[in-house]
Amino acid sequence: AQKVTQAQTEISVVEKEDVTLDCVYETRDTTYYLFWYKQPPSGELVFLIRRNSFDEQNEISGRYSWNFQKSTSSFNFTITASQVVDSAVYFCALSEAPGNNNDMRFGAGTRLTVKP
Amino acid sequence: EAEVAQSPRYKITEKSQAVAFWCDPISGHATLYWYRQILGQGPELLVQFQDESVVDDSQLPKDRFSAERLKGVDSTLKIQPAELGDSAMYLCASSPGTGVTEAFFGQGTRLTVV
Repeated sequence: AQKVTQAQTEISVVEKEDVTLDCVYETRDTTYYLFWYKQPPSGELVFLIRRNSFDEQNEISGRYSWNFQKSTSSFNFTITASQVVDSAVYFCALSEAPGNNNDMRFGAGTRLTVKP
Repeated sequence: EAEVAQSPRYKITEKSQAVAFWCDPISGHATLYWYRQILGQGPELLVQFQDESVVDDSQLPKDRFSAERLKGVDSTLKIQPAELGDSAMYLCASSPGTGVTEAFFGQGTRLTVV
């Protein structure tokens, strides 16, 4: 069974600090997909990144970067030089993707607060 | 920019009453999802449609919940009768088609059952 663990319930940093959000997953499949979403106070989940299990290259997008390590079943998310607008709940999700069923299983989320 | 539309944004209902939520996915998106998010937790999939067909409703409490997507476009999620434990955010999402792609979420309907 697929499972996602985000051990950090809440993180608080001061603006311009770097912060890493941890995500550990469990799956028996060799083919799977990992996602990160951001949920600001307005409620909608905003897609950040999708990564398949065959692509372990780390990715950087502006101040955001992701470190995918199959050896430790982790897909961590780092925000560099954090800003107040980064304050939100961040969710990591896993999809084992059997057939057409994109059943994303979400972690419990990490609430990030960036203080000015 | 195309969005997933949901209504209402907020709903307060008394227990044992019926309640319905509506979702209009991004135009052309074949796959539609309903998720439930209890406060402080991650979203949990209730039902997934591919066009008008249900792909997965294994987590849908079928004794009180129903979902339909009659013409393969917009969708309605109904609860009857509502219970106190149904208080949550109900999120609708859509994705372009088959296979694993990112899902785009609406702003959700926050349900409070009193």
